[in-house]
Amino acid sequence: SQQGEEDPQALSIQEGENATMNCSYKTSINNLQWYRQNSGRGLVHLILIRSNEREKHSGRLRVTLDTSKKSSSLLITASRAADTASYFCATVLSNDYKLSFGAGTTVTVRA
Amino acid sequence: ETGVTQSPTHLIKTRGQQVTLRCSSQSGHNTVSWYQQALGQGPQFIFQYYREEENGRGNFPPRFSGLQFPNYSSELNVNALELDDSALYLCASSLGGQGLDEQYFGPGTRLTVT
Repeated sequence: SQQGEEDPQALSIQEGENATMNCSYKTSINNLQWYRQNSGRGLVHLILIRSNEREKHSGRLRVTLDTSKKSSSLLITASRAADTASYFCATVLSNDYKLSFGAGTTVTVRA
Repeated sequence: ETGVTQSPTHLIKTRGQQVTLRCSSQSGHNTVSWYQQALGQGPQFIFQYYREEENGRGNFPPRFSGLQFPNYSSELNVNALELDDSALYLCASSLGGQGLDEQYFGPGTRLTVT
């Protein structure tokens, strides 16, 4: 079974708009990571947020983590056509070593 | 580009055959993890190798096996292929087998079993 679940499953937005996707998980984590995947190829690491952190930024990306609600969100601001991809959250459980992925959110940015 | 390479890019095999997939880690990384990604799904953890030893395994049968070599490159072997083994196989390298840092993924090998 998958630890994380992304919401929504799919998102379509206009270029320049913001995109927000959420991830919920079930058990205590050491860290949560977001990855992007283009056209069924390799995953690209976006941001890692540790359990004692609440917010991180990287360029146009903002990630929040709420451990009390066991949830995280990824915000992409001022989206571009190149942001069209699938986005996955992955958790590393406390005292564990492997990534557990959700099923992903497919984002389409329309020109 | 992450510096992680995988070969081959695509592979077609027949049910019952055996397959070997290869992965070269990013320079300086001593940990390799393998994942299976079925169409429309997120990657599923197969196993991880840390300094040539299996460090952990996901819910996959013993016909999925692996190796890590002294240069930290790795192989994934699958015996007695089944139709459901058709998937994208991803390897990822990292430094340390603790899951505390990001993993660098290769482009994947697309395996089709007919």
